[in-house]
Amino acid sequence: DIQMTQSPSSLSASVGDRVTITCRASQSISSYLNWYQQKPGKAPKLLIYAASSLQSGVPSRFSGSGSGTDFTLTISSLQPEDFATYYCQQSYSTLAITFGQGTRLEIK
Amino acid sequence: EVQLVESGGGLVKPGGSLRLSCAASGFTFSSYSMNWVRQAPGKGLEWVSSISSSSSYIYYADSVKGRFTISRDNAKNSLYLQMNSLRAEDTAVYYCARDIHCSGGSCYTDWGQGTLVTVSS
Repeated sequence: DIQMTQSPSSLSASVGDRVTITCRASQSISSYLNWYQQKPGKAPKLLIYAASSLQSGVPSRFSGSGSGTDFTLTISSLQPEDFATYYCQQSYSTLAITFGQGTRLEIK
Repeated sequence: EVQLVESGGGLVKPGGSLRLSCAASGFTFSSYSMNWVRQAPGKGLEWVSSISSSSSYIYYADSVKGRFTISRDNAKNSLYLQMNSLRAEDTAVYYCARDIHCSGGSCYTDWGQGTLVTVSS
């Protein structure tokens, strides 16, 4: 299976900060990489698909980049509602979809 | 509005069985692949199984292969997960999720609220 490794595992930041989360695949996955946001007690929400495409309705402060094995999710100016856990997901191998372990974004 | 509503979770003893259901509405169910994703308490997301729109293609995570069976009934707009030989490590919230295949790859745009499965003696 393709392993997805996110860094950092947790992050403290302040409202207005620019934040970057990285995701690394154990082999090339082209651009088959999605990002999700999950708040406590809620289902995940799709933010970015195909590495850099913004899902409809998601604020433009969220952006994604990368291809091959290295990807990033950037939040340009943190808002209070952005404090959550973020997951990357590879869909290159449809036989075995895998998620990263998650990055918990906390208020400093 | 797309709605996915899971049911069937509960407390079961190790070695026991449980069948989860996911009722879909607000979209043409028969046109989309569907998935089960689980989340153990305090842990991350784990993909469990996928089924194509016509049930032609079915995939499982290694952790559940041979024990879980995914199925769907397009006439009833429903997705199922039959879970046998349950283990403590299967304890999790189970979500059903719709795959709309973004730019050629799988992406899950819609999720249910989840149903909790607890495996304990």
